[in-house]
Formats: sequence, C-alpha cells, structure tokens
Amino acid sequence: DAKTTQPNSMESNEEEPVHLPCNHSTISGTDYIHWYRQLPSQGPEYVIHGLTSNVNNRMASLAIAEDRKSSTLILHRATLRDAAVYYCILKTSYDKVIFGPGTSLSVIP
Amino acid sequence: DGGITQSPKYLFRKEGQNVTLSCEQNLNHDAMYWYRQDPGQGLRLIYYSQIVNDFQKGDIAEGYSVSREKKESFPLTVTSAQKNPTAFYLCASSIPAGLGTIYFGEGSWLTVV
Repeated sequence: DAKTTQPNSMESNEEEPVHLPCNHSTISGTDYIHWYRQLPSQGPEYVIHGLTSNVNNRMASLAIAEDRKSSTLILHRATLRDAAVYYCILKTSYDKVIFGPGTSLSVIP
Repeated sequence: DGGITQSPKYLFRKEGQNVTLSCEQNLNHDAMYWYRQDPGQGLRLIYYSQIVNDFQKGDIAEGYSVSREKKESFPLTVTSAQKNPTAFYLCASSIPAGLGTIYFGEGSWLTVV
C-alpha cells in the first residue's frame, strides 16, 4: 500500500497559485519526500524533493510540516501545461518506491 | 544524452505468449524498477532491483519475471500466467538513496489480442 495519501482531484484557475497536499503520517526519519507529475501516456517527471526543510526550484516549492507527517507542493502560478497527475512518494535507501493514485490537477483557463 | 530507453513503444501479444519489454539506461544507476499502469490508475510496482544480479518482487509480481545481468539493463517478461497483461508499462532508475531522483522511460503499451 502507498505510504502517502492525496486528494483524488483538484482544480485551479490559470495563473493562480495551487497547493497540492500530501499526508504521510507513517514517514520514517530516513524517508525523503518526492513529487513527480505525469502527463497522459508519458512517464512521470521529477518535480521536487526534500527531507526536512522547505525547498524551492524553478518548477515549484515544497513545504514540509515540522513533524514531517504532511507536505504541500506549491505551484506559484498555474499554467495549462501544469495540468497533470501529481504523485507524492516517500523514498528511502531501501529503494522500494510505492506510488499511490496521485492527484489529478485541472487548470481552468 | 543520458536517459532510459524502453522498447518497443507498442506491442501486441496473442494470448498464451510470453513477451519481453526492454529497458536500458545509461545513467549509471544501480536501482531500477518496473511499474504497471492501467487506464486512469496510478503506478503499481512489479519488480525492482537495487544492484546487478539481485531483484525483489513488488506488489504485483505474479505473472512477470525479470533479470538483472547488467547494470544498464532490466528486461521484463510478461508471461502467459499474467491474466490481464494489457497495460502501460514504465521502467525507471535512480541512485539507491532516498535523495535519488527517479528517472522514467517513455513507457511501453502492451495489448493482448
């Protein structure tokens, strides 16, 4: 079973910020939090990852709760190209990586 | 360019036949994975390998087999024992660490006819 839970779907208006939540209450100290997104009929692509501190890159920001039991992927200005399925996963050095169903993000023009 | 190559992109199989999906990476990654994705669903782990000559079953390994004879190659065989093999298959690789980014191939569509 996936070790993370996410809403099945979310909607956002174009050019507005989007906050995608993820719960991982059973996270262990060595688990990294990764986010990937997938367009139809393509392999997922990396978005961002973090361990304890908030992270920013050119694509998004990752806000990690102080107890690490939840995190939020932030897209600062949603575009139509951001419409995809977003997966939050936990990754450890043991390398069994389980994906849940993810969140399907729709962006409304 | 570095990356993961899956082939073929599309494959048709008759019932009762075994088929092998190829996955090659030139990223020098130790860890490799195979996932299955059904329409509208998430990814389910079939097999994964942390190092050459070693691999472990994922959540849905029944009806599938793999080998890891070379670091860069991780082929998946869909056997006739797999009752519903029609799906999108994704291969991936990463360094064997929590911070290692997972890189995916473009996927292979398998259809049973």
